[in-house]
Amino acid sequence: DGGITQSPKYLFRKEGQNVTLSCEQNLNHDAMYWYRQDPGQGLRLIYYSQIVNDFQKGDIAEGYSVSREKKESFPLTVTSAQKNPTAFYLCASSPRTGTLPGELFFGEGSRLTVL
Amino acid sequence: QKEVEQDPGPLSVPEGAIVSLNCTYSNSAFQYFMWYRQYSRKGPELLMYTYSSGNKEDGRFTAQVDKSSKYISLFIRDSQPSDSATYLCAMCTGGGNKLTFGTGTQLKVEL
Repeated sequence: DGGITQSPKYLFRKEGQNVTLSCEQNLNHDAMYWYRQDPGQGLRLIYYSQIVNDFQKGDIAEGYSVSREKKESFPLTVTSAQKNPTAFYLCASSPRTGTLPGELFFGEGSRLTVL
Repeated sequence: QKEVEQDPGPLSVPEGAIVSLNCTYSNSAFQYFMWYRQYSRKGPELLMYTYSSGNKEDGRFTAQVDKSSKYISLFIRDSQPSDSATYLCAMCTGGGNKLTFGTGTQLKVEL
């Protein structure tokens, strides 16, 4: 089955530690995205990548880093510089062409809790 | 002021009721409007998609866009307990799939 796989589903981290969230897709999509979801705030864009080896900052990129070495993979690192990292993180993908603008396919999310 | 405003709810209705969910927005450049449905602890999935003003119907769901009022709605007819979820409106200008989301409305349909 084609889809987006995020891991781990739940993650606990001590303050001061970096943590990397995995996102893998087998949909052959060019574009991939990372969103953060907090209660009462909706989804906010962290980083996005339209093509391998290229990515852009979203609206709340501070304290996060990404890489896009393979088309299938777009890992997100939450660094110790991120002041409020506890949140639900969602990865998404979309084809660059032949689709409707705004049509995203989401993974099931990773919930990060900082202790 | 947020670019997209959406009442967070929660909204509780009896089974069979007609549900109306709404969003307002301030950016007149938005042209593509979506409704995503998100079940608890899951990722959102695209439910309805409209371009520009007008109505679009898909089964029990109707999406409505009024660009002159900067107002979009999602109607659910004959609501079912399986419709219980958070409904997120989203919109974009068209380029690069950069969406702006509402906060989401939590809906509970009770037996």
